[in-house]
Amino acid sequence: NAGVTQTPKFRILKIGQSMTLQCTQDMNHNYMYWYRQDPGMGLKLIYYSVGAGITDKGEVPNGYNVSRSTTEDFPLRLELAAPSQTSVYFCASSYRGQGANEQFFGPGTRLTVL
Amino acid sequence: AQRVTQPEKLLSVFKGAPVELKCNYSYSGSPELFWYVQYSRQRLQLLLRHISRESIKGFTADLNKGETSFHLKKPFAQEEDSAMYYCALSKGSARQLTFGSGTQLTVLP
Repeated sequence: NAGVTQTPKFRILKIGQSMTLQCTQDMNHNYMYWYRQDPGMGLKLIYYSVGAGITDKGEVPNGYNVSRSTTEDFPLRLELAAPSQTSVYFCASSYRGQGANEQFFGPGTRLTVL
Repeated sequence: AQRVTQPEKLLSVFKGAPVELKCNYSYSGSPELFWYVQYSRQRLQLLLRHISRESIKGFTADLNKGETSFHLKKPFAQEEDSAMYYCALSKGSARQLTFGSGTQLTVLP
């Protein structure tokens, strides 16, 4: 199993450009998440999904969009990149069960907006 | 709203010394708490969860509801314990996590 994979690893964007961060998991997990991590801060939840076709906003959703057309994929879209979106982005997944279960994280995407 | 506080950004101890990483939380319901760890050049991964009441790599953490704390402890630190440690609280329909800001632990030889 590859687990959670993210592409690209690094990206530099100009202000106003758009891009999609890809996330795929091969563990058949129902739950998927997108977090961002700013320097010196903990991870903050952007969006999450409880299954294909169902997504919901997290703590910091402004400037982002997501979709979940399949169980495996959970792409994150930035429409109009802004310097405030410079961050490291982590995708994670977990299976559904009683109580909280371990989240498995991808390696992260380091995004710089100039 | 739920909140997780890790008061120490940096913590250094000598090899063989005890270590305690502090975590305090605020949450109105019954908390489900975790410690995640990120070693250099590795992914963020689960270290332990409070419901398991387990010891992983010599680390333990006890939930103290009276003090709303979930401190991580190890009696004898090892150099390989050097890493970034995050305390996290789980809640919501997808058990999404609220993270503390993390503590960078350095174990000195």
